[in-house]
Amino acid sequence: DAMVIQNPRYQVTQFGKPVTLSCSQTLNHNVMYWYQQKSSQAPKLLFHYYDKDFNNEADTPDNFQSRRPNTSFCFLDIRSPGLGDAAMYLCATSRDPRGTNEKLFFGSGTQLSVL
Amino acid sequence: GDSVTQMEGPVTLSEEAFLTINCTYTATGYPSLFWYVQYPGEGLQLLLKATKADDKGSNKGFEATYRKETTSFHLEKGSVQVSDSAVYFCALVSQGAQKLVFGQGTRLTINP
Repeated sequence: DAMVIQNPRYQVTQFGKPVTLSCSQTLNHNVMYWYQQKSSQAPKLLFHYYDKDFNNEADTPDNFQSRRPNTSFCFLDIRSPGLGDAAMYLCATSRDPRGTNEKLFFGSGTQLSVL
Repeated sequence: GDSVTQMEGPVTLSEEAFLTINCTYTATGYPSLFWYVQYPGEGLQLLLKATKADDKGSNKGFEATYRKETTSFHLEKGSVQVSDSAVYFCALVSQGAQKLVFGQGTRLTINP
């Protein structure tokens, strides 16, 4: 049974047209992460929520925003997608980010194309 | 800053061959080290981990030993199967940090 669910699997948007990617979890984990993974590159952390506390990475562009209305759901909003934003977007969860050996649970990802 | 470097892929082997995927890291202090695997069409899954020097993580026939002296965490398997075909990611979490830092991944293909 899927525990971290990302929809849709593939998303196509137009240059400059806002797009939202969604993630839900059935694990009741405190932390939800969004990673961006470009082809043949390492996943790059964009931001994470620890409960309702939002933690943005210093180099995440302002074009990327996130919302977490409740424990189960987290959204990634791209306000004005550019061609360089085409990538796989991965959602992950964990119980607590402060442990150094905490296991992350990943969704299957959403592949975003920008036309 | 913290970083992870993996051997470049793709790696193609025949079934029952011996596998090594090299991973080295740069981090302050004593990080925890991980290998994650991504099978086709699926999300990343934790394969194994080690939290201190000389620890050996193992799972599904895969092993990796935390080598502080060489800052390495190479992944090995004695006899690979077609079902091991996937992308493998080495990763670390530094002490006190709140994020996982990944290597770029190594695509492994096993031919029957």
